[in-house]
Amino acid sequence: EVQLVESGGGLVQPGGSLRLSCAASGFTFSSYWMTWVRQAPGKGLEWVANIKQDGSEKYYVDSVKGRFTISRDNAKNSLYLQMNSLRAEDTAVYYCARVSDGCTFDYWGQGTLVTVSS
Amino acid sequence: DVVLTQSPLSLPVTLGQPASISCRSSQGLVYSDGNTYLNWFQQRPGQSPRRLIYEVSKRDSGVPDRFSGSGSGTDFTLKISRVEAEDVGVYYCMQGTHWPPVTFGQGTRLEIK
Repeated sequence: EVQLVESGGGLVQPGGSLRLSCAASGFTFSSYWMTWVRQAPGKGLEWVANIKQDGSEKYYVDSVKGRFTISRDNAKNSLYLQMNSLRAEDTAVYYCARVSDGCTFDYWGQGTLVTVSS
Repeated sequence: DVVLTQSPLSLPVTLGQPASISCRSSQGLVYSDGNTYLNWFQQRPGQSPRRLIYEVSKRDSGVPDRFSGSGSGTDFTLKISRVEAEDVGVYYCMQGTHWPPVTFGQGTRLEIK
């Protein structure tokens, strides 16, 4: 059974940093692109970043470029999102998901809440 | 960037009646391999999104056959043949043809009338 479990969310002050983790199991993690998607309170879904199987390609939504870094450790079956220079508008539930053929997100985690507030 | 426009944004439906959600794209979604990477997701209250439909009309395992997807080019539709109480939630279309960025529609909230 495919499982994705996010962790690392919490309350952080504007300008602060946070590192999210996503533990994957039930599939060959190193064979799949992975993604982060976020959802601000009461709002819709917003794609944040994608990373290739070996980490050699990474793509970001414009609003997080230069502040967020997606990475992975295939030996640990883990995906990460390093978030720096956080802003109030980054407040959201952050989901990790598996990317299948055609850049579709077939399995999602339960999400972790990030709150940026003073 | 590809903009996906869903309508309606709110959809009150009587139990047992059909429902239909439209998703219109600002660009054609046929990829160079000939496939169209348009997906539909369901998000029930308090839950993570769940994929229902991929490549316009392919239903995910475990998705009831009352859900169907159709369309081509820039116009796509999710249909529910007979709405059940468990269908309450928000439905999103998403395109994976022209990325980055991956884009989602605004979401359509389905409620029971």
